[in-house]
Amino acid sequence: KAGVTQTPRYLIKTRGQQVTLSCSPISGHRSVSWYQQTPGQGLQFLFEYFSETQRNKGNFPGRFSGRQFSNSRSEMNVSTLELGDSALYLCASSPESGASGRETQYFGPGTRLLVL
Amino acid sequence: AQSVAQPEDQVNVAEGNPLTVKCTYSVSGNPYLFWYVQYPNRGLQFLLKYITGDNLVKGSYGFEAEFNKSQTSFHLKKPSALVSDSALYFCAVRSTSGTYKYIFGTGTRLKVLA
Repeated sequence: KAGVTQTPRYLIKTRGQQVTLSCSPISGHRSVSWYQQTPGQGLQFLFEYFSETQRNKGNFPGRFSGRQFSNSRSEMNVSTLELGDSALYLCASSPESGASGRETQYFGPGTRLLVL
Repeated sequence: AQSVAQPEDQVNVAEGNPLTVKCTYSVSGNPYLFWYVQYPNRGLQFLLKYITGDNLVKGSYGFEAEFNKSQTSFHLKKPSALVSDSALYFCAVRSTSGTYKYIFGTGTRLKVLA
């Protein structure tokens, strides 16, 4: 099975712009989660989607949003970019919704975003 | 509130020696515990998890972890370290109640010296 794929892998934007990142989960996986990884803050949970619905949300401002399509692919959008948004954005998929908590999340390679 | 602590930013160990990467947690309810490894410019790779049952969990690449409920710990171990084990290791916890969000530790950089 193909793993989680994320596009693009690298991105350079300037302050004030917006960006959309894409994630394709492992085939058959219905849950997609997004994380922001920075050297200072570590891995921070952004949100989780299951069946096109947001199931969980982290403590990020409203500039960060996401959605999931009927084929389970997901996108996240960051509007009005700030320098502090520079990070590695990781997507992870798992088979279920998290209702049992047992599922393993499988991560993509990430999108490295640099905001200038 | 759920939390995970990885008390060591970096662990150095000589090749061939046993290694331990420490993790302690705090959750309400019973925990599900996970270890992931991250190599440079890569995403996280799953190593092992504890759900229930035997406290000693065996995972990928010869790693194992021991769940200790009384000490609320889930330390990652390997009997004989390899240089190729050098990477960033993350412990994560999910509670069996509530929102089931993953909470990750801050990561421990393992350096295996030849």
